Amino acid sequence: QQQVKQSPQSLIVQKGGISIINCAYENTAFDYFPWYQQFPGKGPALLIAIRPDVSEKKEGRFTISFNKSAKQFSLHIMDSQPGDSATYFCAASRGAAGNKLTFGGGTRVLVKP
Amino acid sequence: DAGITQSPRHKVTETGTPVTLRCHQTENHRYMYWYRQDPGHGLRLIHYSYGVKDTDKGEVSDGYSVSRSKTEDFLLTLESATSSQTSVYFCAIRRDKLLYEQYFGPGTRLTVT
Repeated sequence: QQQVKQSPQSLIVQKGGISIINCAYENTAFDYFPWYQQFPGKGPALLIAIRPDVSEKKEGRFTISFNKSAKQFSLHIMDSQPGDSATYFCAASRGAAGNKLTFGGGTRVLVKP
Repeated sequence: DAGITQSPRHKVTETGTPVTLRCHQTENHRYMYWYRQDPGHGLRLIHYSYGVKDTDKGEVSDGYSVSRSKTEDFLLTLESATSSQTSVYFCAIRRDKLLYEQYFGPGTRLTVT
């Protein structure tokens, strides 16, 4: 049972373009939604995260949009750069339950120069 | 860098042999986690610990056991390795003063032949 579904599985975008990755969750008890960035051979690195009491959070070129009623959240990468080429994972957790992360399946992003 | 090291970084073992992976942290945080990463599945939680000798099961705990006798070390043991346990294993910590954020180690690539 996959509680967090992520799409698309892969994405190709031109340098300067916008990358958009979507996630949908089922468990309404989740109260923390992070995004991780992973380069080949490395561990996932926390990129940006949001709590359900806000609808949007922006850090530099990265923005999370959150829709609580639809149980969906998305990552927007503005002005995509070749260095952004990586695999991105969304996740969700409930802090009161040990903050065990449930991950989406991942999106491989390739930014072409 | 959250002060997490994992050992070994790579291991090849035969079916039926026991294997122990080690996660070491330098910051003495309470919560530590073991995840496995497989293509298409993102990362899935195996076990986690919320203190010395305090552990609990995750989503995919069958065939795995853990131990935590010191705050800084969290061990994952495959009692009798199977080919389905070929994976990349990541350890993570949750910083005590940050209720939600998890930081990952560099991973251990395990191949069971």
